[in-house]
Amino acid sequence: QLQLQESGPGLVKASETLSLTCAVSGGSIGDDNYSWGWIRQPPGRGLEWIGSIHYGGNTNNNPSLTSRVTISVDTSKNQFSLGLTSVTAADTAVYYCARHFGTSYGFWSGSYTVNYYYYLDVWGKGTTVTVSS
Amino acid sequence: DIQMTQSPSSLSASVGDRVTVTCRASQSISYWLAWYQQKAGKAPKLLIYKASTLESGVPSRFSGGGSGTEFTLTISSLQPDDFATYYCQQYNSYPYTFGQGTKLEI
Repeated sequence: QLQLQESGPGLVKASETLSLTCAVSGGSIGDDNYSWGWIRQPPGRGLEWIGSIHYGGNTNNNPSLTSRVTISVDTSKNQFSLGLTSVTAADTAVYYCARHFGTSYGFWSGSYTVNYYYYLDVWGKGTTVTVSS
Repeated sequence: DIQMTQSPSSLSASVGDRVTVTCRASQSISYWLAWYQQKAGKAPKLLIYKASTLESGVPSRFSGGGSGTEFTLTISSLQPDDFATYYCQQYNSYPYTFGQGTKLEI
């Protein structure tokens, strides 16, 4: 059974970089059918999708965070990571990693394009990150 | 970004009730919509994807419907374990976005 486990510091100082890792067990991160991503939830609030990565390296990030976000994958360790630079108190949240799964459609429109339609079918338990001043 | 709006934001109900939560998208997302259940202190759990397809292992009292911009999540007969917060999420286009949540309370 696939399991995801987040890890990283629970406390980060303002203006520094938040770094989290998601270890994948019970399955391969190199499976072409999936992408892997991050979602966060500030205290008492809703969910915000941060971004995702395919094992081949293709990433998609939320434009609201893209200048500060790096998502990377390490297939040798079967894990992927999140980096968020220049953090502020607004980045205090529970951070979840999740597997993205679904459907892809390819089509010709000048060039060959593939659209991915991925929902989040397996989630980690989440890790709380607090940004301190 | 596609805005997702859920209604109501909170809902009081009793065991055995039939309840419906609505999710509206700011533009058409076809049927690329998922529903999640989140209990306090826990990660969200996938209930429904592609607007109406029940995830494996999810009880059949949960059902989803709709397409385009309007979607529903219905619980046919509330059970004690169903009291939680429910989120819709569109995955038609990046960035993926969630509704603000509907808290289902006794």
